[in-house]
Amino acid sequence: GAVVSQHPSWVICKSGTSVKIECRSLDFQATTMFWYRQFPKQSLMLMATSNEGSKATYEQGVEKDKFLINHASLTLSTLTVTSAHPEDSSFYICSARDWTPGETQYFGPGTRLLVL
Amino acid sequence: GESVGLHLPTLSVQEGDNSIINCAYSNSASDYFIWYKQESGKGPQFIIDIRSNMDKRQGQRVTVLLNKTVKHLSLQIAATQPGDSAVYFCAESQALNFGKGTSLLVTP
Repeated sequence: GAVVSQHPSWVICKSGTSVKIECRSLDFQATTMFWYRQFPKQSLMLMATSNEGSKATYEQGVEKDKFLINHASLTLSTLTVTSAHPEDSSFYICSARDWTPGETQYFGPGTRLLVL
Repeated sequence: GESVGLHLPTLSVQEGDNSIINCAYSNSASDYFIWYKQESGKGPQFIIDIRSNMDKRQGQRVTVLLNKTVKHLSLQIAATQPGDSAVYFCAESQALNFGKGTSLLVTP
């Protein structure tokens, strides 16, 4: 149980294009999903928190117009990197938590983005 | 806000030895802690958790110890194997940010 998937697992795109990453909770309903970014040899950095049916809450320094997050259902959240640039190249990881506050986050396998 | 931190950035152990990874936290109100393992190129994987009403919890080859007095928890891995090589993070239940983690390297 508690499986979270991400798609795609990796993506290469040209600078200026937009990329959408999907995060799905496969066997539980995720009222809250989190998006993280991780650069090589660094820790996970929280980008935003999304609750189903409401607007995402972004961490300081994260541009909400650049990183569009949609959490339209209890099993799916999407992150769209708009007008991607090489500095957006990173490992993007989502996690999901069920309705019980304070319980464990379950992480997806990550999506590696390379912007040329 | 208060955060969870890791004592050592790297730990090298020989295959078969026991490993101990330490973590300090600052929020005395924290009541639930989780250890995650992240292998290279993968997302973090849940290993074991512990609630504040316990001071020890055991899993398969792993044990988590919680010392609320000094706000410290540790992850013990018995008979460490090459497949245990990874970065280990501890987290509070509400923690949405992680420390740097401890990189465990298992040598033959």
